[in-house]
Amino acid sequence: QVQLVESGGGVVQPGRSLRLSCAASGFNFNKYAMHWVRQAPGKGLEWVAVISYDGTTEYYADSVKGRFTISSDSSKNTLYLQVNSLRADDSAVYHCARAPYSGGWYSIDYWGQGTLVTVCS
Amino acid sequence: DIQMTQSPSSLSASVGDTVTITCRASRTISMHLNWYQKQPGQAPKLLIYAASTLQSGVPSRFSGSTSGTDFTLTISSLQPEDFATYYCYQSYSPPLTFGGGTKVEIQ
Repeated sequence: QVQLVESGGGVVQPGRSLRLSCAASGFNFNKYAMHWVRQAPGKGLEWVAVISYDGTTEYYADSVKGRFTISSDSSKNTLYLQVNSLRADDSAVYHCARAPYSGGWYSIDYWGQGTLVTVCS
Repeated sequence: DIQMTQSPSSLSASVGDTVTITCRASRTISMHLNWYQKQPGQAPKLLIYAASTLQSGVPSRFSGSTSGTDFTLTISSLQPEDFATYYCYQSYSPPLTFGGGTKVEIQ
C-alpha cells in the first residue's frame, strides 16, 4: 500500500536551514507529482509546494517562495523540501502528500504523518 | 490567488445527526474541489474529490455537491468516528489553497 514517511524535522534557530525528506513506497514514484503541506500548532492546513512527476515544474505558496525548494530523487523514491531562512511562523508539522495518477496533479490523495519543525531561539 | 472561505469554523452535533459544511471559492474553480478529514495526530484522509466523487473506501454517508463557486460536504447519520476537523481544498490553480477548517464536535 502507499506509504509516505517524513523525516528531518527538529528544533532550529531562526535564520537556519533544514532539509526535510519523504520516503515513498508502494507505488511507482516517478509517475506521480508530489506536494508538501504544513500545519502550524492550533492552525489549519497550508499548502506549501508541488513538484511535477518529472521534476520539471514547481509551484510554491507565496509565504515560502524564495526560501523553500522542493525536489525529488526518483532513484531513491524520495521527496525533499529544503527550508532556508527559517522564521518562527514556519513552525509546523510538515506533511508530504501524493497527487493522484489521473485527475490532475494539483490534487492530493495520500498523505504522510508528518515531521515537526520548531523554530525558536 | 483563490481564497477558500469555509463555514462554519466549528459545530456541535450528536451521533445520528446530519451536518453540512460549506466552502465558497473567490472565483471559479470548476469542479476542482476536494474534502479531507483530519484527526489529531493523524494524516489527513481524502473523502471527496472532483467536488462530488466519493473516494474508494469512504462510507456513503459522506457526500459532496456544488452550485457555482459554492461547495458543500454533507455527513448523514453522524458516527462517533466522524468527530474530526474537515477541510476543503482547491486544486484548480496554484497557489493551491485550503479552507480554514470545520471542527465537528460532540454535542
